[in-house]
Amino acid sequence: GENVEQHPSTLSVQEGDSAVIKCTYSDSASNYFPWYKQELGKRPQLIIDIRSNVGEKKDQRIAVTLNKTAKHFSLHITETQPEDSAVYFCAASKVQGYSTLTFGKGTMLLVSP
Amino acid sequence: ETGVTQTPRHLVMGMTNKKSLKCEQHLGHNAMYWYKQSAKKPLELMFVYNFKEQTENNSVPSRFSPECPNSSHLFLHLHTLQPEDSALYLCASSQALRTNSAEQYFGPGTRLTVT
Repeated sequence: GENVEQHPSTLSVQEGDSAVIKCTYSDSASNYFPWYKQELGKRPQLIIDIRSNVGEKKDQRIAVTLNKTAKHFSLHITETQPEDSAVYFCAASKVQGYSTLTFGKGTMLLVSP
Repeated sequence: ETGVTQTPRHLVMGMTNKKSLKCEQHLGHNAMYWYKQSAKKPLELMFVYNFKEQTENNSVPSRFSPECPNSSHLFLHLHTLQPEDSALYLCASSQALRTNSAEQYFGPGTRLTVT
């Protein structure tokens, strides 16, 4: 089955800095890679996703890059703000109508004012 | 109610009890999922239902029994649980189409404590 590794487990940055979280996956058949943000005591929410036919996707301050050959993908957050503080999860899936997501262990991002 | 709802939000049960978790989605989706979220471990997929049919069972112990009576409701029946089953149980739903729309929407979760 799929295995997803995520690094780092914690990341502390100053407000305005950039943050990068990296994930690797094992199953070359995976074709869908979402990123979820989970604030303390709240449900995970999708912030951005990318499919295997695309190398990069951007949405305002958030971007995701995918390297299929190396089987890794990364989340980039620019101009970080204190409200970006949360746990971020990457996931990988082979979409077959529904998706069976395999998640990484999560990265706790702390943005200090 | 909108989105995905779960009840109860908190549950404490003894190892000999039987209880059920309920999930309801108001999004018109046709795939529903149960996940387990434990401290310091990744979100673990437990079960997947696609158009009310169970399509995935990730080697979950039989003390967890899912039920999906229709596309909007999903239950997780619990019996003779162990303390290590204490966790946050999250339900999610998605619209499974040939166009492969894959975004999953999560409920708020049920915090389960087994004593």
